Amino acid sequence: DAGVIQSPRHEVTEMGQEVTLRCKPISGHNSLFWYRQTMMRGLELLIYFNNNVPIDDSGMPEDRFSAKMPNASFSTLKIQPSEPRDSAVYFCASSLTRNIQYFGAGTRLSVL
Amino acid sequence: QQQVKQSPQSLIVQKGGISIINCAYENTAFDYFPWYQQFPGKGPALLIAIRPDVSEKKEGRFTISFNKSAKQFSLHIMDSQPGDSATYFCAAPGTGANNLFFGTGTRLTVIP
Repeated sequence: DAGVIQSPRHEVTEMGQEVTLRCKPISGHNSLFWYRQTMMRGLELLIYFNNNVPIDDSGMPEDRFSAKMPNASFSTLKIQPSEPRDSAVYFCASSLTRNIQYFGAGTRLSVL
Repeated sequence: QQQVKQSPQSLIVQKGGISIINCAYENTAFDYFPWYQQFPGKGPALLIAIRPDVSEKKEGRFTISFNKSAKQFSLHIMDSQPGDSATYFCAAPGTGANNLFFGTGTRLTVIP
């Protein structure tokens, strides 16, 4: 299996621009998670989906963040407009067995 | 919700020694408690996981010990190797939903 695939691996953008991060979960997994990792706050859960339905988005920092999962093999995390404080590494993870999650390689986002 | 406390923040061990990382959680949970290993620039990789009805699980040089009454669990790395140098995260399940709460991480350095 190819594992969880994220793109792009690196994204550099200017403040105010729209950023879209993409994720392809492991085939057959029914849960998908978006995390943000920073030195200050560690790994934070932003949102997770079960069977393509958003279950808990309480970790989404503000309305500038949105996530979609149009089908079982694709999800996006969008930031509009982006701000320098959004700079972080964003991870996507998928799961079939409850609480056993597999992470992608991450997208390192830099907002200038 | 769940609170997870992980210690130590950093650990330096000689090659061949035993590395021990400790975690404590607050709320009783019945699902898997996983440990993740993260190398710089990579996503967290599932290392080993244990259910709270098991007191110990061993996979190769890695062992998880679980004390349900004390709400504590620990990772032991036997015969530590320089290639084990990474950041290790423990995680505990939430009390209802299918999500994980992560410790703050332990940066392990194994000196040759």
